[in-house]
Amino acid sequence: KAGVTQTPRYLIKTRGQQVTLSCSPISGHRSVSWYQQTPGQGLQFLFEYFSETQRNKGNFPGRFSGRQFSNSRSEMNVSTLELGDSALYLCASSLENPLLNTEAFFGQGTRLTVV
Amino acid sequence: SQQGEEDPQALSIQEGENATMNCSYKTSINNLQWYRQNSGRGLVHLILIRSNEREKHSGRLRVTLDTSKKSSSLLITASRAADTASYFCAAGRGAGNMLTFGGGTRLMVKP
Repeated sequence: KAGVTQTPRYLIKTRGQQVTLSCSPISGHRSVSWYQQTPGQGLQFLFEYFSETQRNKGNFPGRFSGRQFSNSRSEMNVSTLELGDSALYLCASSLENPLLNTEAFFGQGTRLTVV
Repeated sequence: SQQGEEDPQALSIQEGENATMNCSYKTSINNLQWYRQNSGRGLVHLILIRSNEREKHSGRLRVTLDTSKKSSSLLITASRAADTASYFCAAGRGAGNMLTFGGGTRLMVKP
């Protein structure tokens, strides 16, 4: 069974540009979450999508957005990039359990560098 | 901001020794999960303990949860050099699969 696939693995962008990151979840997983990891702030939750709907959202500005497609693949977009957006962006997929959280399977991440 | 705090922030031990990492959180949870990360790569799920459980084992891992103290601990027994990594606790709460991570413990196991 293929794991969570994130593309691209590395990205260098200039301040002010926008970027789109892609995540393909494990087959059968309908929940996709995104996290930002930086040395200063650690791992922070961005948002979660389930059945093409945003179910949870973290405390990030509106420049960060995402979406999920009917095949559960997800994209996140960051507009008007700032130097502080440089981070490892991790995507995780989970099986849906209506009663309780379940374990998350993470991709290898996209390392974004803003210059 | 992160909900959890982990201690120690860094831990260095010899191969064969046990490693204990602690995690505290602030609000009620559905479950507490532990993940491992090697060198800034993706996270690997280790173990999940639900709020109504007190202890769980998986191979060389033992996790405890004390909801009255809002704390959890991860014990790795008979550590190996390959266990060198960062370990994170993550609190699962509310609907959906949102996780709130602690700051992590960097474990170094010397051969």
